[in-house]
Amino acid sequence: QKEVEQDPGPLSVPEGAIVSLNCTYSNSAFQYFMWYRQYSRKGPELLMYTYSSGNKEDGRFTAQVDKSSKYISLFIRDSQPSDSATYLCAFASINSGGSNYKLTFGKGTLLTVNP
Amino acid sequence: DGGITQSPKYLFRKEGQNVTLSCEQNLNHDAMYWYRQDPGQGLRLIYYSQIVNDFQKGDIAEGYSVSREKKESFPLTVTSAQKNPTAFYLCASSPRGRKETQYFGPGTRLLVL
Repeated sequence: QKEVEQDPGPLSVPEGAIVSLNCTYSNSAFQYFMWYRQYSRKGPELLMYTYSSGNKEDGRFTAQVDKSSKYISLFIRDSQPSDSATYLCAFASINSGGSNYKLTFGKGTLLTVNP
Repeated sequence: DGGITQSPKYLFRKEGQNVTLSCEQNLNHDAMYWYRQDPGQGLRLIYYSQIVNDFQKGDIAEGYSVSREKKESFPLTVTSAQKNPTAFYLCASSPRGRKETQYFGPGTRLLVL
């Protein structure tokens, strides 16, 4: 089983739609859960960050984490053409001493929002 | 403006040549990282540095080298030993106490002539 699996897409939706992006993971040591947005030929931009199960909302974006099912989601409400990008989930675990850690990324989902 | 800068935006390498990618940050972040991104592969960690004059290998360090002589700078050298260097290279940094959140630069696209 892969450590992180992300729906590959591509995903194409009309403007105004609700978008759901998902990742599953197998590593129980993951403690931090992130979503990055990456526009074409640009560096990833940190969009959402959480460390607990449940929902975290920021404007039109909601990050959802279910640690028991090892599943995270990003919801985008009222999607806009400017949301068209690749979305990457990312996970982090930090060792007990806090001196070493690693980010593990999903392969990304390409989203296109059509006007 | 605070941020991470990478240069050049595009870089061409000839066979057998070493090339160096620049990464500078003025965010006062302690940790810095280099990733490689290939289509359909996601981001893979090459090297990371948590403090000046110290760095560790990531998952795909072979054929690469780094230095960390200043807090603000973390250059990556792609050596001739790296047989498949064509990729998008991303530098990132993270603040003290928030190592799990990384902020990325705009990237350098390396192409082999």
